Amino acid sequence: EPEVTQTPSHQVTQMGQEVILRCVPISNHLYFYWYRQILGQKVEFLVSFYNNEISEKSEIFDDQFSVERPDGSNFTLKIRSTKLEDSAMYFCASSEEGRNTGELFFGEGSRLTVL
Amino acid sequence: AQRVTQPEKLLSVFKGAPVELKCNYSYSGSPELFWYVQYSRQRLQLLLRHISRESIKGFTADLNKGETSFHLKKPFAQEEDSAMYYCAPPGATNKLIFGTGTLLAVQP
Repeated sequence: EPEVTQTPSHQVTQMGQEVILRCVPISNHLYFYWYRQILGQKVEFLVSFYNNEISEKSEIFDDQFSVERPDGSNFTLKIRSTKLEDSAMYFCASSEEGRNTGELFFGEGSRLTVL
Repeated sequence: AQRVTQPEKLLSVFKGAPVELKCNYSYSGSPELFWYVQYSRQRLQLLLRHISRESIKGFTADLNKGETSFHLKKPFAQEEDSAMYYCAPPGATNKLIFGTGTLLAVQP
């Protein structure tokens, strides 16, 4: 069964460093998402992406964050200059349909630790 | 803006006992609601959606528009049901908003 895959599973970085988290969505899916979960807190929406552009983003997704689909398979989340409070589990998800009807398929997450 | 409330952070029940995980939403449009589950060391996955009106792993959820609730129920809990459960009303835009989640612990 196709799955969303994420790399790395865990990354440790120094504050101020750039981080790129990678995701390979399910191949026929058209909608892509990033969510994050700070330890002990809820899963928060960051950004959705469709047709090669951001369709929606939350207030968490400030100028330090960017997303890209550099080729036909990868979907990346870049954090330009990491802060301590960026430490979290980042989940990528994809869906075949949008507009409330589609099931989201999640990756296993990338744990980011900022020191 | 859509909002979802899961009032219980932790729900502990004994095996065989009934389970009800509460979810209340506030959304002005016609809601389509989902329950997602995360078992230990596994990814978030869809458990059920209200529009399909199906029962998955013995769980059901009824949309009550009057009470704006979408509680998840199971008549007899099993130990393998222990997991984190998230209610998610997607609202009008192309995203899901998750509740704070309820950790269900089923004791033997």
